[in-house]
Amino acid sequence: EAQVTQNPRYLITVTGKKLTVTCSQNMNHEYMSWYRQDPGLGLRQIYYSMNVEVTDKGDVPEGYKVSRKEKRNFPLILESPSPNQTSLYFCASSLRGLAVWDTGELFFGEGSRLTVL
Amino acid sequence: QKEVEQNSGPLSVPEGAIASLNCTYSDRGSQSFFWYRQYSGKSPELIMSIYSNGDKEDGRFTAQLNKASQYVSLLIRDSQPSDSATYLCAVPGVSNQAGTALIFGKGTTLSVSS
Repeated sequence: EAQVTQNPRYLITVTGKKLTVTCSQNMNHEYMSWYRQDPGLGLRQIYYSMNVEVTDKGDVPEGYKVSRKEKRNFPLILESPSPNQTSLYFCASSLRGLAVWDTGELFFGEGSRLTVL
Repeated sequence: QKEVEQNSGPLSVPEGAIASLNCTYSDRGSQSFFWYRQYSGKSPELIMSIYSNGDKEDGRFTAQLNKASQYVSLLIRDSQPSDSATYLCAVPGVSNQAGTALIFGKGTTLSVSS
């Protein structure tokens, strides 16, 4: 089954404790992206990757890191989480970056709800 | 930075009625427009795309685009309780002055009562 898998789905942590949210897709997609979704603010892009070893900042990158060492994986790293990073996080992928413009089709993972105390 | 505006709702309609969801966008150069549906607690999924002025129909869903007015809408005919969800309007754009992203509106919550 074609899917984007995120882990953990739910996490409660404390300020300053480093954490990683993993994302893996099995569709051989080149493009991957992380969004956060907050009430009243909608979905906002954190980071994206056009392909292996190619990553760049989105609109709200502060406090986050990413890496793309393999095509299928795109982990999101919070080096020192703070309460303002409490949010619902979505990983998404698309066949190619250009496909986002052409078809608008992003395949989303199920989401990871993160609470930072 | 492109902006996409939607009325947050909630929009409440009775079963069988037509639900009309509206979206405006800031970039007159935008060429493609998408509607995503997000059920509560779930991830967004693409349900419609439209590229040309006019209407595009897919089953009970009709997307309407008016580029001159920078306006795109989604009509849901014969609304069902299963249509109750948040509907997100999206346009492709760049983020942080470079790159590729779908720029999403904040979404309109639709509630269909039986």
